[in-house]
Amino acid sequence: GAGVSQTPSNKVTEKGKYVELRCDPISGHTALYWYRQSLGQGPEFLIYFQGTGAADDSGLPNDRFFAVRPEGSVSTLKIQRTERGDSAVYLCASSLLLAGSSGELFFGEGSRLTVL
Amino acid sequence: AQKVTQAQTEISVVEKEDVTLDCVYETRDTTYYLFWYKQPPSGELVFLIRRNSFDEQNEISGRYSWNFQKSTSSFNFTITASQVVDSAVYFCALITHNTDKLIFGTGTRLQVFP
Repeated sequence: GAGVSQTPSNKVTEKGKYVELRCDPISGHTALYWYRQSLGQGPEFLIYFQGTGAADDSGLPNDRFFAVRPEGSVSTLKIQRTERGDSAVYLCASSLLLAGSSGELFFGEGSRLTVL
Repeated sequence: AQKVTQAQTEISVVEKEDVTLDCVYETRDTTYYLFWYKQPPSGELVFLIRRNSFDEQNEISGRYSWNFQKSTSSFNFTITASQVVDSAVYFCALITHNTDKLIFGTGTRLQVFP
């Protein structure tokens, strides 16, 4: 499809396990964003990439969270030693221009992570 | 610091009623953008509108209209003649020119009953 694709759509894991969430942005979009949305809350910024480099990772909650975008397209959000508090929907968005330059963000449907 | 407040947690209306969703923002920057997104049950955030801080002209798009008032730091969203398909969570968001982080409010859940 032409939109932002996220896999898996649902992931159930046990506390302490490692998880990877994948985001395939719209072709040609250089900016890629990860957000986390807890139940009943608005999305919270985690990290964004401009090309291959993480331009701002100030939203990552701790060093268990890491994200990469090695070829400037697909990105993977990695969570080590998962905790129950990590349970949320992880949203990915991409844009042609940076959001601060009035770029429009296109969001995927999210990956719902449940940590038991 | 930037902040977006959506005081209405949930609103219920009957089809064909008009409804206004409130949004109040805080920022010290003079250049910023305001957004509204719709999140239907499928979960995907759908872009509705973007306004820049220098353009206070109100906008109408079909049944949707937006009222931007810098004097009260508000960017309210009105749906005229609501329909069941309008049922969703609506988020107001803010970004300032010197960052690339979109700051979202907590959202307003709109339920439109037939």
